Amino acid sequence: DTGVSQDPRHKITKRGQNVTFRCDPISEHNRLYWYRQTLGQGPEFLTYFQNEAQLEKSRLLSDRFSAERPKGSFSTLEIQRTEQGDSAMYLCASRPAGARDYGYTFGSGTRLTVV
Amino acid sequence: GNSVTQMEGPVTLSEEAFLTINCTYTATGYPSLFWYVQYPGEGLQLLLKATKADDKGSNKGFEATYRKETTSFHLEKGSVQVSDSAVYFCALSESGGGADGLTFGKGTHLIIQP
Repeated sequence: DTGVSQDPRHKITKRGQNVTFRCDPISEHNRLYWYRQTLGQGPEFLTYFQNEAQLEKSRLLSDRFSAERPKGSFSTLEIQRTEQGDSAMYLCASRPAGARDYGYTFGSGTRLTVV
Repeated sequence: GNSVTQMEGPVTLSEEAFLTINCTYTATGYPSLFWYVQYPGEGLQLLLKATKADDKGSNKGFEATYRKETTSFHLEKGSVQVSDSAVYFCALSESGGGADGLTFGKGTHLIIQP
């Protein structure tokens, strides 16, 4: 297993366009998390899944943000009608369920630039 | 709500100096505490963790002790190297129910000069 993979690494988009990012977690990890990291700040929790169930989504930044994990494996994060303020690093992390103290494995992130 | 406060950076030290990066937290329950490190151009890597009061996490010469009485988890290393230059994040994970995500501090940029 090569760890948590995120694609693409970089995305430049025009304001108003929709973007979608993909995350492939470690295969035996059934919990998957999305975070946003802006310059000079720590990562900010957005949402998480246990298998295909999205157990927390109240922290998604607006209704333009949505996430899916349809088969309990990879996940996608979509931002509709992007704004310049959406420019940030989007991080994915995974861990086994029931192992809160295990530590989260992070991917390298997708850097979004909205122009 | 939960929060984590870290000392402001950048912190610049000479090689072989002693390092302390302060971290304090606010949490409603009994959190687990973590230090993550982010090297330039890379993702976050778990450096060390502690799950209950008075636990000491350690890895690669770094140490941090979970101090419930002072709500702190300061990161220390006795002799830093140039390769330790990175951004360090303190984080907590709340026990019990809730969102189950990590709450991070803003990060401390560490620069080690040869």
